[in-house]
Amino acid sequence: AQSVTQLDSHVSVSEGTPVLLRCNYSSSYSPSLFWYVQHPNKGLQLLLKYTSAATLVKGINGFEAEFKKSETSFHLTKPSAHMSDAAEYFCVVRGGSQGNLIFGKGTKLSVKP
Amino acid sequence: NAGVTQTPKFQVLKTGQSMTLQCAQDMNHEYMSWYRQDPGMGLRLIHYSVGAGITDQGEVPNGYNVSRSTTEDFPLRLLSAAPSQTSVYFCASSLRLAATSTDTQYFGPGTRLTVL
Repeated sequence: AQSVTQLDSHVSVSEGTPVLLRCNYSSSYSPSLFWYVQHPNKGLQLLLKYTSAATLVKGINGFEAEFKKSETSFHLTKPSAHMSDAAEYFCVVRGGSQGNLIFGKGTKLSVKP
Repeated sequence: NAGVTQTPKFQVLKTGQSMTLQCAQDMNHEYMSWYRQDPGMGLRLIHYSVGAGITDQGEVPNGYNVSRSTTEDFPLRLLSAAPSQTSVYFCASSLRLAATSTDTQYFGPGTRLTVL
């Protein structure tokens, strides 16, 4: 069965420093993986998705993620955090027999001035 | 395109009351779904539909009903509201559902429901 585990429930960084949000996945076949972002009291927005075309995936707002099959990881990174990046981030995998999305529990990112 | 729309944005119910959360999309998507979001739990799938007239249960379906009479609309009904159903509800849609699909799933803005 497919699943994702977000390794940190809360990450705090200073503005201008790198961001790393960790996600490990479990899948019996080549997975479809996504990162979504949710700003406070807002809906969910797609940041990026892994389509197997390239292992390094670039998304919106300077975020990127690297698919590492050997480590079953899909970590989200950004070289320099901005105050507007403060939000909750969800790692998501398609799973089950039909391919519904399976969400991680989320990582809340705080950015200090 | 309006994308995925949900009404109402906020709702307060008393225990035992029933109500319907509305969801509509104008992208001609086959797949629509309902999730609930609770703190520390991520999003959990309630019900989903792969086309008009076809619905199925997700991870947490108890206490909720759905129907899909048109491609555009996918209402979620709470039959007899309970405090445990206090949550934020999100509707989503995508072009299709497949185990290896990379189709983007688009989310509505959410409905914040409180059951007293």
